[in-house]
Amino acid sequence: GQNIDQPTEMTATEGAIVQINCTYQTSGFNGLFWYQQHAGEAPTFLSYNVLDGLEEKGRFSSFLSRSKGYSYLLLKELQMKDSASYLCAVADSNYQLIWGAGTKLIIKP
Amino acid sequence: IAGITQAPTSQILAAGRRMTLRCTQDMRHNAMYWYRQDLGLGLRLIHYSNTAGTTGKGEVPDGYSVSRANTDDFPLTLASAVPSQTSVYFCASSDSRQGVTGELFFGEGSRLTVL
Repeated sequence: GQNIDQPTEMTATEGAIVQINCTYQTSGFNGLFWYQQHAGEAPTFLSYNVLDGLEEKGRFSSFLSRSKGYSYLLLKELQMKDSASYLCAVADSNYQLIWGAGTKLIIKP
Repeated sequence: IAGITQAPTSQILAAGRRMTLRCTQDMRHNAMYWYRQDLGLGLRLIHYSNTAGTTGKGEVPDGYSVSRANTDDFPLTLASAVPSQTSVYFCASSDSRQGVTGELFFGEGSRLTVL
C-alpha cells in the first residue's frame, strides 16, 4: 500500500528552527509537495521537490532524498503566524497525490 | 480575482437527503478535484476532472458523484447523505500545463454535518 508518515504534532519556540520530517512509500514518485494549513482554512502551497537536494525559499526550505523516501521541511526564525498544520504529499506513478495526515506545529513565545 | 469559490461554507443535513456542494473557479484551470478532510487522516481524493467533459474516481468515490459541464464549475453531489459523510470538503484546481503535478489551489472548504 501507499503510505505517508509525518509526526502528528510538534512544539517549537518563537525565533527558533524546526524540522518537520516526512517519509513515504508510494508506487512510483513524481514529486513531493509541502502545504501549510492554518486552522479552519484551506491548504496553501509551500514547496515542490522532484530532484534530490535542498530547495530554499525565504525562511522555509525543503529537502528530498528519493533513495531514502524522505523529505523534511525546515522553518527558520519561527514566528507565531507559523502555527499551522504542515501537509506532506507525494505524486505517485499515476500523478495522483497521496497525502500525509499533517503535522500540527505549535509555536510558543 | 476570486480564485476558487465553494458553497455552502457550512451545512447541517439530515441523513437520506440529497446535497450538492458547489465549486467555481475563475483561473481557467483545466484540472479540478474534490477532497474530504477528516481529523487524523490525510486529504482523500473523492473525484477529479482533468478537463471539461471528463471525470474520474479517486480514492473514496462511493456515495458521491460529480459533473464537469464547463471549465469553471465542478459540483459534488451526495445522492443520499449518511453520517459517515460528515467531513470538511475541499475543492481544488490546478493548471496541468505546468506539469501534471502543478500547484493545487484550494477553496475555503465546506463543512458538512450529516445527522
